[in-house]
Amino acid sequence: GEDVEQSLFLSVREGDSSVINCTYTDSSSTYLYWYKQEPGAGLQLLTYIFSNMDMKQDQRLTVLLNKKDKHLSLRIADTQTGDSAIYFCGGGSQGNLIFGKGTKLSVKP
Amino acid sequence: NAGVTQTPKFRILKIGQSMTLQCAQDMNHNYMYWYRQDPGMGLKLIYYSVGAGITDKGEVPNGYNVSRSTTEDFPLRLELAAPSQTSVYFCASSYSPLAGGPVEEQFFGPGTRLTVL
Repeated sequence: GEDVEQSLFLSVREGDSSVINCTYTDSSSTYLYWYKQEPGAGLQLLTYIFSNMDMKQDQRLTVLLNKKDKHLSLRIADTQTGDSAIYFCGGGSQGNLIFGKGTKLSVKP
Repeated sequence: NAGVTQTPKFRILKIGQSMTLQCAQDMNHNYMYWYRQDPGMGLKLIYYSVGAGITDKGEVPNGYNVSRSTTEDFPLRLELAAPSQTSVYFCASSYSPLAGGPVEEQFFGPGTRLTVL
C-alpha cells in the first residue's frame, strides 16, 4: 500500500518562502494532494497536482512533482502568519487516500 | 449546504462504555470516510464506504464498526471503549466518478474529540 513521509516541523520568518517536502511510495496515484489543517479544524484541500504534471502554480503556491524520485513539494511564497498550520500531503487511488503525518509550519513575525 | 457535520463535538467515555459518532453530508457524495488523528500524528483511516450498503476496512479498524444505510449518513460505533481510542475523529466525504474525471477532493467535518478514561 501507499506510504507517505514528510518532515514534522518547519519554521520560517514572515515574508520568506516555505518549502514543505513529501515522499511517497505508490507510483499509481492519479493525483497528489496538499491539505491544510488549521488549529481545531478539519483538513481543507489546498491544491493538487495530476501525476503526469511536473509543476503547478496557483497564486502563492507552487507544487513540484518528481515522479522518478517520488518526491512532492509545496512552496509557499511570501509566507504570512496566517499560513501557520499543519500541511498534509496525500496520495492514492480513488476513494482511498493515504496522508502523511503532517508538517507543522510556524511563521515568525 | 451544511457540508459534513459531526456530532458530538466532545465526549468523555469510561472504559468499556459504547457510543456512536454521527456523521452526515448533504452533498450527495458517494464516498465517506472515518479517520482518527492522534496528538502529533497524521490521519489514519478507520473505515470507508463507497456507497450506501458498502463499507470497507481502512488501516486501523479494530474496535470500531460502521454502517451505511443511506448516502447521507455514516455513523461510527465504538462498542467497548478503551484508552487507546482517545483521539480526534474526523469524518470526510468525496465524490468519485466512475473513471478518471475531476479531482477527488475530500471534505472534512469539524471533528469529534473523544477521551476515554
